[in-house]
Amino acid sequence: EADIYQTPRYLVIGTGKKITLECSQTMGHDKMYWYQQDPGMELHLIHYSYGVNSTEKGDLSSESTVSRIRTEHFPLTLESARPSHTSQYLCASRHPHGKGGYTFGSGTRLTVV
Amino acid sequence: GQQVMQIPQYQHVQEGEDFTTYCNSSTTLSNIQWYKQRPGGHPVFLIQLVKSGEVKKQKRLTFQFGEAKKNSSLHITATQTTDVGTYFCAGPGDQFYFGTGTSLTVIP
Repeated sequence: EADIYQTPRYLVIGTGKKITLECSQTMGHDKMYWYQQDPGMELHLIHYSYGVNSTEKGDLSSESTVSRIRTEHFPLTLESARPSHTSQYLCASRHPHGKGGYTFGSGTRLTVV
Repeated sequence: GQQVMQIPQYQHVQEGEDFTTYCNSSTTLSNIQWYKQRPGGHPVFLIQLVKSGEVKKQKRLTFQFGEAKKNSSLHITATQTTDVGTYFCAGPGDQFYFGTGTSLTVIP
C-alpha cells in the first residue's frame, strides 16, 4: 500500500563507512522529511525539504546530509558512520497544501559495528 | 522547537478494557494529528483535528481536541490485541513535532 519507498530495509555497516539511505515517493508531494527513531522511542527530525533544491536541518544533528534534486527522491547520506548512528531512519512525505498526515516509508534499520 | 508531551508513556491493559492517552502542549495548536505505530512498523496517520472541542470517532477510537486547543486525547473502547502499538500525537508546524508516544500493551 505504501507510495513511499525506502531502501535498504536493513543495513549493517562498519564504522567510518559512507552510506546513503534512499527514499522515493510517487505521490508528487513537495514536502519530505527524515526522522530518526530508536526502538520504542520518539521520532527526531533530522532533515526536511519543501521542494526541489530546498533542504533544511531539523532538531537532531546527526552529521548527515540530504539532497533534493528531484521531487520524488530525497536521499540521506552519512559521510562517516559511527555506532551512535545505529537506529531506524524513517522517511516521510506530506501533501503540498498541508492536508492530511504524513505518509511514512517502512524505514531503514541501520546497525553500525 | 515546539513540543507536545504525552502521558502515560506506557499502558498495559487487559483485553476488553478501555485505554486513553493524553497529549498536552504549552501553546495553542492550530491542529493536531494522531498516528499509530505497530511494533517493528512505521507510523500510520490516523486522524487530524482542527476545531476547538472537536470530537471524531473511528470505530472504537474516539479523538478529542480541547476547547483551548492545547490538549488532545485518544480513547479506545474495549481494547483488542490488534490495538497494540505506540500512539503518537503530532503538533503542527512546517514540520510536525511528534509527542513522546504512549506504548499500549494489550494482555489477552
